[in-house]
Amino acid sequence: AQSVTQLDSQVPVFEEAPVELRCNYSSSVSVYLFWYVQYPNQGLQLLLKYLSGSTLVKGINGFEAEFNKSQTSFHLRKPSVHISDTAEYFCAVSDPDKLIFGTGTRLQVFP
Amino acid sequence: DTGVSQNPRHKITKRGQNVTFRCDPISEHNRLYWYRQTLGQGPEFLTYFQNEAQLEKSRLLSDRFSAERPKGSFSTLEIQRTEQGDSAMYLCASSFGQGAYGYTFGSGTRLTVV
Repeated sequence: AQSVTQLDSQVPVFEEAPVELRCNYSSSVSVYLFWYVQYPNQGLQLLLKYLSGSTLVKGINGFEAEFNKSQTSFHLRKPSVHISDTAEYFCAVSDPDKLIFGTGTRLQVFP
Repeated sequence: DTGVSQNPRHKITKRGQNVTFRCDPISEHNRLYWYRQTLGQGPEFLTYFQNEAQLEKSRLLSDRFSAERPKGSFSTLEIQRTEQGDSAMYLCASSFGQGAYGYTFGSGTRLTVV
């Protein structure tokens, strides 16, 4: 079965600084990869997804992620964060008929 | 299209009572999923349906849990004889096929067992 590892449980960062949230997955076979964001007491909102093709994927709110097959990674990046980006971020992999999630990374943006 | 709708948003129940949650997926989506999320954790898969057929159930889904999707549209998740350990956010999601176009999540039902 697939598994997802999010190496950082919390990432504190100052506003306008760049950020990278790390994600590694277990399988070497073709997979779909996703990043979701969750604001307090809300459901999950899709940020971006990788299905195939270009390894650099652009998503909403200025986020992007790079698929690296050799390192089985799918790290999320943003060049300049805003206070409103404070939230929980989840990486997920298709298994293939359902999503398997990591434990999440809490991004805390300070003014 | 109003997205995935879950009701109720919050439910407080006494230990030992039965509870039922409802999920209305996006109408064009043929797959519906249930997840459970506890504090500080990622969502954990419980079960999924393709149309009205329940195709997979997690080991997390004990015999106190049952899910149905009788007409391939809305779904219900029932928990019998609730325990404090059942306290969690229950999330529903839907997709078209295997989710290449994405999985859309509802806002969840937060269950508190006292």
